[in-house]
Amino acid sequence: DAGVIQSPRHEVTEMGQEVTLRCKPISGHNSLFWYRQTMMRGLELLIYFNNNVPIDDSGMPEDRFSAKMPNASFSTLKIQPSEPRDSAVYFCASTLDTSQPQHFGDGTRLSIL
Amino acid sequence: GDSVTQMEGPVTLSEEAFLTINCTYTATGYPSLFWYVQYPGEGLQLLLKATKADDKGSNKGFEATYRKETTSFHLEKGSVQVSDSAVYFCALRDSSASKIIFGSGTRLSIRP
Repeated sequence: DAGVIQSPRHEVTEMGQEVTLRCKPISGHNSLFWYRQTMMRGLELLIYFNNNVPIDDSGMPEDRFSAKMPNASFSTLKIQPSEPRDSAVYFCASTLDTSQPQHFGDGTRLSIL
Repeated sequence: GDSVTQMEGPVTLSEEAFLTINCTYTATGYPSLFWYVQYPGEGLQLLLKATKADDKGSNKGFEATYRKETTSFHLEKGSVQVSDSAVYFCALRDSSASKIIFGSGTRLSIRP
Protein backbone atom coordinates (compact mmCIF):
# COMPACT_ATOMS: atom_id res chain seq x y z
CA ASP A 1 0.00 0.00 0.00
CA ALA A 2 1.22 3.48 -0.76
CA GLY A 3 1.94 5.51 2.32
CA VAL A 4 1.71 9.23 2.79
CA ILE A 5 3.47 10.88 -0.14
CA GLN A 6 5.16 14.24 0.20
CA SER A 7 6.81 16.36 -2.45
CA PRO A 8 9.34 17.66 -2.99
CA ARG A 9 11.74 15.69 -0.76
CA HIS A 10 14.17 18.58 -0.73
CA GLU A 11 13.69 22.27 -1.49
CA VAL A 12 16.34 24.96 -1.48
CA THR A 13 15.28 28.49 -2.26
CA GLU A 14 16.17 32.08 -1.50
CA MET A 15 14.44 34.09 1.14
CA GLY A 16 11.42 35.99 -0.05
CA GLN A 17 10.35 33.28 -2.46
CA GLU A 18 7.07 31.42 -2.19
CA VAL A 19 7.36 27.79 -1.14
CA THR A 20 4.65 25.16 -1.64
CA LEU A 21 4.85 21.77 0.01
CA ARG A 22 2.51 19.00 -1.09
CA CYS A 23 1.00 15.99 0.59
CA LYS A 24 -1.08 13.06 -0.58
CA PRO A 25 -2.55 11.20 2.40
CA ILE A 26 -3.27 7.50 2.48
CA SER A 27 -6.44 6.76 0.56
CA GLY A 28 -9.46 6.65 2.84
CA HIS A 29 -7.82 8.53 5.70
CA ASN A 30 -10.01 11.32 7.04
CA SER A 31 -7.53 13.34 9.09
CA LEU A 32 -4.38 15.08 7.90
CA PHE A 33 -1.69 16.78 9.95
CA TRP A 34 1.20 19.10 9.09
CA TYR A 35 4.25 19.14 11.39
CA ARG A 36 7.54 21.02 11.45
CA GLN A 37 10.70 19.49 12.92
CA THR A 38 13.78 21.43 13.95
CA MET A 39 16.67 20.71 16.27
CA MET A 40 15.72 23.60 18.51
CA ARG A 41 11.98 23.02 18.84
CA GLY A 42 11.56 19.35 18.03
CA LEU A 43 8.31 18.26 16.39
CA GLU A 44 5.61 20.93 16.26
CA LEU A 45 2.05 20.47 15.04
CA LEU A 46 1.20 23.28 12.65
CA ILE A 47 -2.36 22.47 11.57
CA TYR A 48 -4.69 19.54 11.13
CA PHE A 49 -7.73 18.80 8.98
CA ASN A 50 -10.70 16.53 9.51
CA ASN A 51 -12.67 15.63 6.38
CA ASN A 52 -10.83 18.41 4.50
CA VAL A 53 -11.83 21.06 7.06
CA PRO A 54 -9.15 22.84 9.12
CA ILE A 55 -9.81 22.05 12.78
CA ASP A 56 -6.89 23.55 14.64
CA ASP A 57 -4.37 25.95 13.12
CA SER A 58 -3.06 27.31 16.39
CA GLY A 59 0.39 25.96 15.63
CA MET A 60 0.81 27.94 12.42
CA PRO A 61 3.66 30.33 13.24
CA GLU A 62 2.39 33.43 11.47
CA ASP A 63 0.39 34.74 8.57
CA ARG A 64 3.14 33.85 6.12
CA PHE A 65 2.04 30.23 6.54
CA SER A 66 -1.15 28.87 5.02
CA ALA A 67 -2.52 25.39 4.42
CA LYS A 68 -5.30 24.06 2.25
CA MET A 69 -6.96 20.76 1.62
CA PRO A 70 -9.10 21.13 -1.50
CA ASN A 71 -10.04 17.45 -1.54
CA ALA A 72 -9.53 14.25 0.41
CA SER A 73 -6.41 13.26 -1.51
CA PHE A 74 -4.34 16.43 -1.53
CA SER A 75 -3.09 19.12 0.80
CA THR A 76 -0.62 21.99 0.49
CA LEU A 77 1.38 24.01 2.96
CA LYS A 78 2.48 27.36 1.60
CA ILE A 79 5.01 29.85 2.96
CA GLN A 80 5.00 33.33 1.43
CA PRO A 81 7.38 35.05 1.77
CA SER A 82 9.87 32.51 3.07
CA GLU A 83 12.56 33.37 5.62
CA PRO A 84 15.76 31.55 6.68
CA ARG A 85 14.19 30.66 10.04
CA ASP A 86 11.60 28.58 8.18
CA SER A 87 14.33 26.07 7.34
CA ALA A 88 13.21 22.74 8.78
CA VAL A 89 11.85 19.34 7.85
CA TYR A 90 8.10 19.46 7.25
CA PHE A 91 6.08 16.30 7.74
CA CYS A 92 2.60 15.40 6.69
CA ALA A 93 0.71 12.62 8.47
CA SER A 94 -2.70 11.06 8.02
CA THR A 95 -4.96 8.77 9.96
CA LEU A 96 -8.14 6.84 9.31
CA ASP A 97 -9.79 8.52 12.25
CA THR A 98 -8.49 10.34 15.24
CA SER A 99 -8.57 7.25 17.44
CA GLN A 100 -5.94 5.59 15.26
CA PRO A 101 -2.16 6.19 15.12
CA GLN A 102 -0.85 8.61 12.54
CA HIS A 103 1.08 7.55 9.44
CA PHE A 104 3.88 9.91 8.47
CA GLY A 105 5.37 10.78 5.11
CA ASP A 106 9.13 10.96 4.66
CA GLY A 107 9.11 14.74 4.94
CA THR A 108 10.29 17.71 2.92
CA ARG A 109 13.64 19.15 3.93
CA LEU A 110 13.37 22.88 3.33
CA SER A 111 16.36 25.21 3.26
CA ILE A 112 15.83 28.94 2.90
CA LEU A 113 19.03 30.80 2.03
CA GLY B 1 -2.42 21.06 29.37
CA ASP B 2 -1.34 17.59 28.38
CA SER B 3 2.39 17.01 28.06
CA VAL B 4 5.03 14.34 27.59
CA THR B 5 8.51 14.34 29.11
CA GLN B 6 11.16 11.93 27.97
CA MET B 7 14.77 11.47 28.87
CA GLU B 8 17.21 13.63 27.01
CA GLY B 9 19.66 12.08 24.65
CA PRO B 10 21.78 11.19 23.07
CA VAL B 11 21.92 7.68 24.48
CA THR B 12 24.86 5.59 23.32
CA LEU B 13 25.02 1.86 24.03
CA SER B 14 26.96 -1.13 22.86
CA GLU B 15 25.28 -3.84 20.84
CA GLU B 16 23.35 -6.37 22.97
CA ALA B 17 23.05 -3.93 25.88
CA PHE B 18 19.77 -3.41 27.73
CA LEU B 19 17.85 -0.28 26.79
CA THR B 20 15.52 1.90 28.83
CA ILE B 21 14.20 5.24 27.62
CA ASN B 22 12.10 6.94 30.27
CA CYS B 23 8.83 8.68 29.48
CA THR B 24 6.34 10.31 31.82
CA TYR B 25 3.16 12.13 30.95
CA THR B 26 0.63 14.61 32.27
CA ALA B 27 -2.96 14.31 31.12
CA THR B 28 -6.34 15.23 32.49
CA GLY B 29 -8.23 12.32 30.93
CA TYR B 30 -7.37 8.73 30.06
CA PRO B 31 -4.86 9.01 27.25
CA SER B 32 -3.60 6.48 24.76
CA LEU B 33 0.19 6.22 24.79
CA PHE B 34 2.56 5.63 21.91
CA TRP B 35 6.19 5.18 21.02
CA TYR B 36 7.22 6.31 17.55
CA VAL B 37 10.62 5.73 15.93
CA GLN B 38 12.32 7.91 13.32
CA TYR B 39 15.14 6.46 11.25
CA PRO B 40 17.52 8.84 9.47
CA GLY B 41 15.91 10.61 6.53
CA GLU B 42 12.49 9.16 7.21
CA GLY B 43 9.24 10.13 8.88
CA LEU B 44 8.04 8.83 12.20
CA GLN B 45 6.73 5.27 12.38
CA LEU B 46 4.53 3.84 15.07
CA LEU B 47 6.57 1.38 17.14
CA LEU B 48 4.01 0.35 19.77
CA LYS B 49 1.00 1.62 21.65
CA ALA B 50 -1.11 1.04 24.76
CA THR B 51 -4.63 2.34 25.22
CA LYS B 52 -5.37 1.70 28.90
CA ALA B 53 -3.69 1.23 32.24
CA ASP B 54 -1.54 -1.89 32.63
CA ASP B 55 -1.58 -2.57 28.90
CA LYS B 56 1.78 -3.63 27.49
CA GLY B 57 2.66 -2.62 23.96
CA SER B 58 5.34 -4.61 22.17
CA ASN B 59 6.96 -4.75 18.74
CA LYS B 60 10.36 -5.74 17.32
CA GLY B 61 11.60 -6.71 20.77
CA PHE B 62 10.64 -3.36 22.30
CA GLU B 63 8.13 -3.18 25.15
CA ALA B 64 6.42 -0.48 27.17
CA THR B 65 3.83 -0.80 29.93
CA TYR B 66 1.19 1.83 30.64
CA ARG B 67 1.61 2.70 34.33
CA LYS B 68 -1.17 4.94 35.53
CA GLU B 69 0.07 5.09 39.11
CA THR B 70 3.41 6.54 38.04
CA THR B 71 2.11 8.19 34.82
CA SER B 72 4.91 6.49 32.91
CA PHE B 73 5.41 4.57 29.68
CA HIS B 74 9.10 3.62 29.64
CA LEU B 75 10.49 1.95 26.53
CA GLU B 76 12.66 -1.15 27.04
CA LYS B 77 14.53 -3.65 24.94
CA GLY B 78 16.59 -6.51 26.28
CA SER B 79 19.30 -6.59 23.62
CA VAL B 80 19.75 -3.71 21.21
CA GLN B 81 21.17 -3.92 17.72
CA VAL B 82 23.00 -1.42 15.56
CA SER B 83 19.87 -1.21 13.41
CA ASP B 84 17.95 0.20 16.39
CA SER B 85 19.89 3.46 16.08
CA ALA B 86 17.21 6.11 15.58
CA VAL B 87 15.28 8.84 17.37
CA TYR B 88 12.48 7.61 19.63
CA PHE B 89 9.43 9.72 20.48
CA CYS B 90 7.01 9.11 23.31
CA ALA B 91 3.52 10.50 22.65
CA LEU B 92 0.01 10.64 24.01
CA ARG B 93 -3.47 11.29 22.74
CA ASP B 94 -6.17 12.24 25.16
CA SER B 95 -9.43 10.38 24.68
CA SER B 96 -11.22 13.62 23.86
CA ALA B 97 -8.60 15.05 21.53
CA SER B 98 -7.76 14.50 17.91
CA LYS B 99 -4.14 15.49 17.98
CA ILE B 100 -1.13 13.71 19.42
CA ILE B 101 1.28 15.35 21.83
CA PHE B 102 4.88 14.29 21.17
CA GLY B 103 7.84 14.34 23.50
CA SER B 104 11.08 15.98 22.41
CA GLY B 105 12.61 12.74 21.17
CA THR B 106 15.62 10.69 22.36
CA ARG B 107 18.42 9.94 19.95
CA LEU B 108 19.76 6.40 20.37
CA SER B 109 23.10 5.29 18.93
CA ILE B 110 24.25 1.68 19.12
CA ARG B 111 27.95 0.84 18.77
CA PRO B 112 28.91 -2.44 17.09
